[in-house]
Amino acid sequence: SQKIEQNSEALNIQEGKTATLTCNYTNYSPAYLQWYRQDPGRGPVFLLLIRENEKEKRKERLKVTFDTTLKQSLFHITASQPADSATYLCALDSGGTSYGKLTFGQGTILTVHP
Amino acid sequence: ETGVTQSPTHLIKTRGQQVTLRCSSQSGHNTVSWYQQALGQGPQFIFQYYREEENGRGNFPPRFSGLQFPNYSSELNVNALELDDSALYLCASSTLERGQSPLHFGNGTRLTVT
Repeated sequence: SQKIEQNSEALNIQEGKTATLTCNYTNYSPAYLQWYRQDPGRGPVFLLLIRENEKEKRKERLKVTFDTTLKQSLFHITASQPADSATYLCALDSGGTSYGKLTFGQGTILTVHP
Repeated sequence: ETGVTQSPTHLIKTRGQQVTLRCSSQSGHNTVSWYQQALGQGPQFIFQYYREEENGRGNFPPRFSGLQFPNYSSELNVNALELDDSALYLCASSTLERGQSPLHFGNGTRLTVT
């Protein structure tokens, strides 16, 4: 069966360091991979989307890599700030007729300490 | 630009009862997807509506049903509530034709079944 795993339930880092979150999947051929941020009591907010034929995408302090051979995506936040503390979710989309029907990982809770 | 709004924000129901949750899409979006998020888990896809028709369904029983209206707002109905239905229910809107359009989530309805 399809499975998505985010490497750890919680990640604690010091302000200014780079946070690296991992998303691994099995039995899946995603066309797109997306990362979302979710704050307590709120809905997820879209951050970045990367296609299967793209290796890397950047947006300000955020960087996503996508390795379809390893079946893995890495999500980096550089120069992290306490305001980056949240749960981060990766989500896979098969595209085509399945477009928009995302399969989410369980999330990683990131805490950035001042 | 008006975002996705969901009502009510919180709801308490008794096992066996029925519930209706409501969602107003972001303006310009024609597709609505519903997700169930249990505590500490990632969102799980329930179904998607496109132009008032169901356009895909996740692994949920028929007692979960939905509607999409001509103004693209949507309802999620759950019959014969069970204790395990307690969760955060998220609505997300998008534009299917644009492809690669990320999902815009509301802040959810927190349903508690006792």
